[in-house]
Amino acid sequence: GQNIDQPTEMTATEGAIVQINCTYQTSGFNGLFWYQQHAGEAPTFLSYNVLDGLEEKGRFSSFLSRSKGYSYLLLKELQMKDSASYLCAVRDMRRDDKIIFGKGTRLHILP
Amino acid sequence: DARVTQTPRHKVTEMGQEVTMRCQPILGHNTVFWYRQTMMQGLELLAYFRNRAPLDDSGMPKDRFSAEMPDATLATLKIQPSEPRDSAVYFCASGLGSQEAFFGQGTRLTVV
Repeated sequence: GQNIDQPTEMTATEGAIVQINCTYQTSGFNGLFWYQQHAGEAPTFLSYNVLDGLEEKGRFSSFLSRSKGYSYLLLKELQMKDSASYLCAVRDMRRDDKIIFGKGTRLHILP
Repeated sequence: DARVTQTPRHKVTEMGQEVTMRCQPILGHNTVFWYRQTMMQGLELLAYFRNRAPLDDSGMPKDRFSAEMPDATLATLKIQPSEPRDSAVYFCASGLGSQEAFFGQGTRLTVV
């Protein structure tokens, strides 16, 4: 089976940096995704990691350690529009490559 | 621009009625996912197709839910009969191979 754990809620200040952690257990890991979802909207793709290391994309970076079953999403220079839920998702090759999501982390940005 | 299209966007129905949700995946995508999202459970995978063939529907209550892809441009999710506990947002997503999935805007279902 799969377990994907991430904190339920986090709060950070505009202009600061925040790190959202995700741990997973899966029998056939084949990649990890981060999605952003604003209230009332659809999830939108942020990043994809399949090899260990850091992937940087503007203000957002995502890190993966396959041996630890661990990833984080790092958001820099926080803006009010970054207030959203951040969803960690894992692709499982032993289950036909389907994508399973964690419950998401609600991030609140304070001015 | 390419996007996943879902209809209807909102649906209110009475318990016991049949509900059909439709999804048009992005042209050329060969994988289609159906997810249900609630506050309590988050995004739950209901069904998954690759090249129109159902690969996994283990997350779906079989007695009332069914998912099909009659052709490459249409995926359907049907609930019959609907129950109040089915109230949720239902998302369809499509992708190509092992790349990321793109989500539609969802169908907000309320069963009263």
